[in-house]
Amino acid sequence: DTEVTQTPKHLVMGMTNKKSLKCEQHMGHRAMYWYKQKAKKPPELMFVYSYEKLSINESVPSRFSPECPNSSLLNLHLHALQPEDSALYLCASSQSGTRRNNSPLHFGNGTRLTVT
Amino acid sequence: QKEVEQNSGPLSVPEGAIASLNCTYSDRGSQSFFWYRQYSGKSPELIMFIYSNGDKEDGRFTAQLNKASQYVSLLIRDSQPSDSATYLCAVNEKGSGNTPLVFGKGTRLSVIA
Repeated sequence: DTEVTQTPKHLVMGMTNKKSLKCEQHMGHRAMYWYKQKAKKPPELMFVYSYEKLSINESVPSRFSPECPNSSLLNLHLHALQPEDSALYLCASSQSGTRRNNSPLHFGNGTRLTVT
Repeated sequence: QKEVEQNSGPLSVPEGAIASLNCTYSDRGSQSFFWYRQYSGKSPELIMFIYSNGDKEDGRFTAQLNKASQYVSLLIRDSQPSDSATYLCAVNEKGSGNTPLVFGKGTRLSVIA
């Protein structure tokens, strides 16, 4: 079990559906992340929130819409996805890094998304 | 383009042996280095992190960092079948504490009983 909780664990959605992925952490971390991971590939950064503000968007298509309601919660709203968006979606959190060093990322268990 | 290179494996070692996993990185300014273990179908789990040149030990795991040669390695002593997984190396960009991590493609380790 991890200290970053993601729901749901599995999600199957059609291309016209709207769904949301949720992530929660209670470690007092002020940075939260969404990653996408395809099979046999490394995690690919999508978004970073720092102190509840979006700080990095890695040119992600607008059919993915992140939201950070407060410092403990992170959502990813999904709309009009394509089958190629099927992947493991990972939420992570970290303390804010020092000026020099990153703090480790702590990953949730992920949501396995299938788009039909 | 910042790069983190790992041999994809599989690296096969007998139970009880030392497994040595290597990672090289292209950005000479990188300052933070992480090793994650990922079992098939699961999320990455932090194993070790290292910031300074030299060795850092935690139980059966030792991370080794050589910034001059731009490589970081992970040694697993007394390897167990339960260590069989993909090991991801991650490195920060530009040497600043809040830049994204760049992940290598991972090395698949197989420990044979």
